[in-house]
Amino acid sequence: DTGVSQDPRHKITKRGQNVTFRCDPISEHNRLYWYRQTLGQGPEFLTYFQNEAQLEKSRLLSDRFSAERPKGSFSTLEIQRTEQGDSAMYLCASSKTSSGELFFGEGSRLTVL
Amino acid sequence: GQQVMQIPQYQHVQEGEDFTTYCNSSTTLSNIQWYKQRPGGHPVFLIQLVKSGEVKKQKRLTFQFGEAKKNSSLHITATQTTDVGTYFCAGKDDKIIFGKGTRLHILP
Repeated sequence: DTGVSQDPRHKITKRGQNVTFRCDPISEHNRLYWYRQTLGQGPEFLTYFQNEAQLEKSRLLSDRFSAERPKGSFSTLEIQRTEQGDSAMYLCASSKTSSGELFFGEGSRLTVL
Repeated sequence: GQQVMQIPQYQHVQEGEDFTTYCNSSTTLSNIQWYKQRPGGHPVFLIQLVKSGEVKKQKRLTFQFGEAKKNSSLHITATQTTDVGTYFCAGKDDKIIFGKGTRLHILP
């Protein structure tokens, strides 16, 4: 499968714990985006990368959220000290160019108890 | 900051009726993209519009990009049950920002 893959697909954690999600984009895709989606809402922008450079992080995102793309390939999204409000689907998407279509992964669903 | 607004939030139509969703951006866009998300699925790319006033068609779907490159619309002619899902516009200024989507329900 050469699509965008995300791991884990589901994560249940207790409030206060740290979680990390991984995204493997399509090979040679330069742009990588992280979005968060809750039921009935559109994908909410979190952050994006051009190769290994993080270009922007949403101002709505607290300091508990951090993302990396160390070698310009896979990316990780870490949430520290999770809160119940962090429960959502975390979507990763990649594109070949800065203006190209986004290819989404299946998402990582987070449930914080 | 950049905002993308989409209306209506929900639309119920009888099978065979037409459907339209509208998208407006707070800023001028370099391009606009449309995605469809089926229940339980992830967004899937439909089309990208780049030029001012551009109109593109995909079978029963017609996409328009406004002259000022700040608004767009998606029109579906003669809806079918396979059209069920949520349609999102996504505006690109630098990053890609999604609207809240229009959820389409088809009544048989």
